[in-house]
Amino acid sequence: GQNIDQPTEMTATEGAIVQINCTYQTSGFNGLFWYQQHAGEAPTFLSYNVLDGLEEKGRFSSFLSRSKGYSYLLLKELQMKDSASYLCAVLDSNYQLIWGAGTKLIIKP
Amino acid sequence: IAGITQAPTSQILAAGRRMTLRCTQDMRHNAMYWYRQDLGLGLRLIHYSNTAGTTGKGEVPDGYSVSRANTDDFPLTLASAVPSQTSVYFCASSQESSNQPQHFGDGTRLSIL
Repeated sequence: GQNIDQPTEMTATEGAIVQINCTYQTSGFNGLFWYQQHAGEAPTFLSYNVLDGLEEKGRFSSFLSRSKGYSYLLLKELQMKDSASYLCAVLDSNYQLIWGAGTKLIIKP
Repeated sequence: IAGITQAPTSQILAAGRRMTLRCTQDMRHNAMYWYRQDLGLGLRLIHYSNTAGTTGKGEVPDGYSVSRANTDDFPLTLASAVPSQTSVYFCASSQESSNQPQHFGDGTRLSIL
């Protein structure tokens, strides 16, 4: 079966750095997405990785290792507005997105 | 502002009733999707459409039907609602059914009693 694993919840301090991990087992791989979802709102696109390595976009970076079936989202200089759920999703061999349950990130002052 | 519009925002429905959730996009995206999101679970694909005139079944299609008569509209119908269909429903679209990011509507919160 297909499986995406993420921690259910994480807590971090304003101004700090946090790393949210995602491991996957899917039938084929055509890329990995990270989305942000604030409570009661729609998911919004953060990043896309298809090749191994680190993609940096401002305070957010995403890393991929295809051989390990592993990705992480790194958030720097945390702000209160970063409190949200972060969703990892893998594009499988049929180009359908398989979604993780999401990681709820709580930022404390 | 370009984007995806879903209606209604929320609805309480008696079991056994028929309900259509509306979704319209103005980005001229070819691919559209319907997901349901339940607490503790990831987004689950109900149905999708790669282009106008075609539809396909996702992970959890039972009890739902869709149509794609044109590029912009992708309604989702519950023929006879059951309590297990209580969920938040998201419509999404992408330029192509490939590695393009999906853009989401604001969701419809549906409660079946």
